[in-house]
Amino acid sequence: EAQVTQNPRYLITVTGKKLTVTCSQNMNHEYMSWYRQDPGLGLRQIYYSMNVEVTDKGDVPEGYKVSRKEKRNFPLILESPSPNQTSLYFCASSLRPGTGARIDNSPLHFGNGTRLTVT
Amino acid sequence: AQSVAQPEDQVNVAEGNPLTVKCTYSVSGNPYLFWYVQYPNRGLQFLLKYITGDNLVKGSYGFEAEFNKSQTSFHLKKPSALVSDSALYFCAVRHNAGNNRKLIWGLGTSLAVNP
Repeated sequence: EAQVTQNPRYLITVTGKKLTVTCSQNMNHEYMSWYRQDPGLGLRQIYYSMNVEVTDKGDVPEGYKVSRKEKRNFPLILESPSPNQTSLYFCASSLRPGTGARIDNSPLHFGNGTRLTVT
Repeated sequence: AQSVAQPEDQVNVAEGNPLTVKCTYSVSGNPYLFWYVQYPNRGLQFLLKYITGDNLVKGSYGFEAEFNKSQTSFHLKKPSALVSDSALYFCAVRHNAGNNRKLIWGLGTSLAVNP
């Protein structure tokens, strides 16, 4: 089954304790992205990756790191979590979104989310 | 600035009645428009998209959306609502700028279908 798998689904941690949220997709997608979802703020992009070893900041990258060493995996790393990073996180993937003048409008496939609480 | 607006935080409809979830956008150039649905405790799922061509596009679960260029709108519709349609709906637009091709998201509309 084609899917984006995030782990864990729920995570409670304390301020400053490094954590990693894993994301894996089995669709051979080039593009992967992390979002956070907060009430009243909708979805905000944290980081994205156009392909292996190619990552870039989204709208709210502060306090987060990512890596893309393999095509299928795109972990989100919080080196020193803080309470304002309490949120619902989603990983998403798609075929390449296009470059230059060409836009590939393949839809995003989302994981089921990770609810993170930082106390 | 590029933006997407979903003017209603919540929409309530009775089962069997038609439903509309509104979306308006402001982007430069030709917009590429999407609707996604989020069921409780799940990630977003793609419903439908407008790229070009016929202004009425059909998608999953009996949903359709109408692109109106003059009104810069892309409203989601369904002729007969089901209780199982109750969910959070997001409108998004992608524009031709930069390499991110990122989507600009609306804040979502919560749809409640009452039996």
